[in-house]
Amino acid sequence: LAKTTQPISMDSYEGQEVNITCSHNNIATNDYITWYQQFPSQGPRFIIQGYKTKVTNEVASLFIPADRKSSTLSLPRVSLSDTAVYYCLVGVLTDSWGKLQFGAGTQVVVTP
Amino acid sequence: GAGVSQSPSNKVTEKGKDVELRCDPISGHTALYWYRQRLGQGLEFLIYFQGNSAPDKSGLPSDRFSAERTGESVSTLTIQRTQQEDSAVYLCASSLVQQETQYFGPGTRLLVL
Repeated sequence: LAKTTQPISMDSYEGQEVNITCSHNNIATNDYITWYQQFPSQGPRFIIQGYKTKVTNEVASLFIPADRKSSTLSLPRVSLSDTAVYYCLVGVLTDSWGKLQFGAGTQVVVTP
Repeated sequence: GAGVSQSPSNKVTEKGKDVELRCDPISGHTALYWYRQRLGQGLEFLIYFQGNSAPDKSGLPSDRFSAERTGESVSTLTIQRTQQEDSAVYLCASSLVQQETQYFGPGTRLLVL
């Protein structure tokens, strides 16, 4: 299983761009990279998923370099409501039995 | 239909008692996952089901923990002889198939006194 490493916390101001980098040095060929967001007292919520290069949706962008040993979640123009814990998840995409492991996550705090 | 639901939302029990936590996944989702989250910590994987089978139970903390799933639907996580260190939020998630996006329930907050 690919282990992930993220910063414990990041602080930002409203309107700024927040970039969270996740390291996954032993990512396997079939692994996808997924990011989840979790607000206090709620379950995690899917944000974005990618395999390589760049993926963008209405919430965030995900940048994955060619070697795929890391990935960066980019949150454009954050607001106070983006204060949450963000989890990087690397999963084995095979037909065999496997499991996805969540790391400790990154606590993002957005202040006015 | 509706999202993943869990019951009860909160459970307070005494040390040594058994508790059962229930998860109703999204209809049609074949994969179901249980996680534990202690206060201020990340998610700790416990077990997952593919259909009614749990091929990997290595995440369960001890033999006091067990889980089952029936009808490829409802799952129950049972904790026997609860200990204070079992206090946590227990989250359930389901996905259409294994490795697809997981949808989480609101969790069950367990407090063992």
